[in-house]
Amino acid sequence: SAVISQKPSRDICQRGTSLTIQCQVDSQVTMMFWYRQQPGQSLTLIATANQGSEATYESGFVIDKFPISRPNLTFSTLTVSNMSPEDSSIYLCSVESKYPIYEQYFGPGTRLTVT
Amino acid sequence: QKEVEQDPGPLSVPEGAIVSLNCTYSNSAFQYFMWYRQYSRKGPELLMYTYSSGNKEDGRFTAQVDKSSKYISLFIRDSQPSDSATYLCAMSAFIFQGAQKLVFGQGTRLTINP
Repeated sequence: SAVISQKPSRDICQRGTSLTIQCQVDSQVTMMFWYRQQPGQSLTLIATANQGSEATYESGFVIDKFPISRPNLTFSTLTVSNMSPEDSSIYLCSVESKYPIYEQYFGPGTRLTVT
Repeated sequence: QKEVEQDPGPLSVPEGAIVSLNCTYSNSAFQYFMWYRQYSRKGPELLMYTYSSGNKEDGRFTAQVDKSSKYISLFIRDSQPSDSATYLCAMSAFIFQGAQKLVFGQGTRLTINP
């Protein structure tokens, strides 16, 4: 299993500002994933970050709003840009393991409130 | 229509009861079917994993998949207060470079009352 930490654990931000969320894994992984979990909603995949290449975004999410960095095999950042109250959510990163079964391990999440 | 539908609850049952949680899905391309458990202020953790129709049992938990009906279930026997959490069904599909994408249901918030 992988141990994942995220910083910050929570933050309250003003609209129009940006917040960068960090995700650190205790082992080297190829793919990292960023999800959003809005209040009362399911986890929705924002993008997949493969080390050494541009992140791949899901429909409805764009790089200008959610730029992602993946500088090495154990670290990634997600920035939430030009925030509005609609961005208030929990943001989670995850990594995958393919053996013995396919599984994604999740970080504890970053709880963001935009005022 | 969402790809995965799950009743968000909340669901409250007495300790010792049998709990049934369900999801339906519309995408026939889903390969694997999972149940994640999420405690308050924690990330989801994998609870059960299946890839074929039928039942899979692990202790007090049984996962059931019916691909013909596009319906999956999780049963919890002899429920305990420690089972109180949000349960999310998730289904996977291949996206690129061998990576898989997880599509989650809305999650059902379950409370087991002592």
